[in-house]
Amino acid sequence: SAVISQKPSRDICQRGTSLTIQCQVDSQVTMMFWYRQQPGQSLTLIATANQGSEATYESGFVIDKFPISRPNLTFSTLTVSNMSPEDSSIYLCSALTGGATEAFFGQGTRLTVV
Amino acid sequence: KQEVTQIPAALSVPEGENLVLNCSFTDSAIYNLQWFRQDPGKGLTSLLLIQSSQREQTSGRLNASLDKSSGRSTLYIAASQPGDSATYLCAVRPPDSNSGYALNFGKGTSLLVTP
Repeated sequence: SAVISQKPSRDICQRGTSLTIQCQVDSQVTMMFWYRQQPGQSLTLIATANQGSEATYESGFVIDKFPISRPNLTFSTLTVSNMSPEDSSIYLCSALTGGATEAFFGQGTRLTVV
Repeated sequence: KQEVTQIPAALSVPEGENLVLNCSFTDSAIYNLQWFRQDPGKGLTSLLLIQSSQREQTSGRLNASLDKSSGRSTLYIAASQPGDSATYLCAVRPPDSNSGYALNFGKGTSLLVTP
């Protein structure tokens, strides 16, 4: 299994600003992902964080808005840039452990943009 | 595109009841299926993982079954308790690396167990 620590757990931000969310895994993992959960909705994949290279983004998500870093096998960051109220969501980091079978999630970052 | 549907969307039961949550998916070509629990405003806790070759998995009062050919999974919760109150999410993983490794989620079943 893997324990994923995400911070901050929540934040209230002004529109037009940026927030960087950190995700730390307690062991080396094969893959890391970032998801968004808008109010009342299920999880939507933003991107796959690739170690040492650019993230792979899903349709509707772009690097300028959601830059992602993954400098090593245990750490990743997601930045939500130039925020608007529509960015208010829970952002979740996920990882696949060895054998790439079971997925684990962090506790999420609850973002409110005012 | 894989579509995952969970029924019912919400469920309220008295403590002690046995209950069944349903999950269906449109493409039977999956690698595995996971059931998660999510408490309000929190992250996801993995409950059970079923590989595509398996029929069921059990953990304590939880039992999950998988019928891949019909695109269905059920989560059975025995002797429900108020602490079971949460949203339960079903997610399927694509079959191979060409399809990616990320999960496709249903919208969840919101469960309330009343004392």
